[in-house]
Amino acid sequence: EAGVAQSPRYKIIEKRQSVAFWCNPISGHATLYWYQQILGQGPKLLIQFQNNGVVDDSQLPKDRFSAERLKGVDSTLKIQPAKLEDSAVYLCASSFHRASNNEQFFGPGTRLTVL
Amino acid sequence: AQSVTQPDIHITVSEGASLELRCNYSYGATPYLFWYVQSPGQGLQLLLKYFSGDTLVQGIKGFEAEFKRSQSSFNLRKPSVHWSDAAEYFCAVGDNNAGNMLTFGGGTRLMVKP
Repeated sequence: EAGVAQSPRYKIIEKRQSVAFWCNPISGHATLYWYQQILGQGPKLLIQFQNNGVVDDSQLPKDRFSAERLKGVDSTLKIQPAKLEDSAVYLCASSFHRASNNEQFFGPGTRLTVL
Repeated sequence: AQSVTQPDIHITVSEGASLELRCNYSYGATPYLFWYVQSPGQGLQLLLKYFSGDTLVQGIKGFEAEFKRSQSSFNLRKPSVHWSDAAEYFCAVGDNNAGNMLTFGGGTRLMVKP
């Protein structure tokens, strides 16, 4: 069974530029999550999708971050414009559904460096 | 709001020695608790989870954890550490009223001496 795929694995941009990350969850998983992991910290949930709908985006900085999952499968997270403090690893995870006992499977992440 | 504290940022143990990583949580009801491991450049892998029932849970790679409600703790243990266990370990609490949303602790980095 293929795991959660993410691309690119690494990205370096200058502040005020835009960047997009892509995630393809495990086949059949209805719930998809984006986390931000700043160096030295635990992951912080940014947004949770159930199929193509947003369940929770309360911690997403909506002035610069956006995410979509138009067909309920893969997802894109965008930052526009990027700030220095956005430097982090962006992790995508998926689960079969959003019940609390469902294991979340994580992708390898995209490491973003903003200069 | 729920929270997780991992008091030890770094821990170094000798190979073959026992290991205990501490985790304290704050949550209003019975929590769902998890331990994840993250190796360099890798995503997080679930080691074990507690939802209910037996307070001592067994996980993969020889790890176990014990839920202690009175101490609001969920410490991770392993009787004999291997060099391959060197990684970062994260404790997390799930909000069972909010659909599988996890709050993670800050992590403990484990180093293993030969």
